[in-house]
Amino acid sequence: EAQVTQNPRYLITVTGKKLTVTCSQNMNHEYMSWYRQDPGLGLRQIYYSMNVEVTDKGDVPEGYKVSRKEKRNFPLILESPSPNQTSLYFCASSLYGGNTGELFFGEGSRLTVL
Amino acid sequence: RKEVEQDPGPFNVPEGATVAFNCTYSNSASQSFFWYRQDCRKEPKLLMSVYSSGNEDGRFTAQLNRASQYISLLIRDSKLSDSATYLCVVNLLTGGFKTIFGAGTRLFVKA
Repeated sequence: EAQVTQNPRYLITVTGKKLTVTCSQNMNHEYMSWYRQDPGLGLRQIYYSMNVEVTDKGDVPEGYKVSRKEKRNFPLILESPSPNQTSLYFCASSLYGGNTGELFFGEGSRLTVL
Repeated sequence: RKEVEQDPGPFNVPEGATVAFNCTYSNSASQSFFWYRQDCRKEPKLLMSVYSSGNEDGRFTAQLNRASQYISLLIRDSKLSDSATYLCVVNLLTGGFKTIFGAGTRLFVKA
């Protein structure tokens, strides 16, 4: 089944404790992206990747890191989480980039930072 | 001013009603346009792409007006299952590639 898989789906952590949210897609998509969704603000792009080893900042990259060492994986790293990073996070992928095709989303990861 | 603006609603309509949502975007470099649907606490899913010529998919019709920089979505004969949040999405190419989501319009269809 074609899908985007995120883990963990739910996480409660404390300020400063490094965490990684994994994202994996099995559709051989070149484009992958991370978003956070907050009430009243909609989805905001954190980072995106047009292909392996190619990443770029979105609108809200501060406090986050990403890497794209393999085509299928695009982990989101919070080196030192803070309470303002409490949010619902979505990973998405697309064949060539969202401009030309549908974005497929993971089920979301709900993160709470205390 | 937000780059993509939508009326947050909620729109409360009876079954069978026709409802229309509008979305405005501010960047004239916007290249492609979509409507996504998001059910409560779930991931967004593509509803339809939006073309200048207008496009229709069953009960759903999407329209793009580049001159006025707005996108519309019309839902005819509303069903209970149409209750969701509808996200307007704009892609633009400005040095890099950027996808911008509107905050969404909530629709409740009641029996």
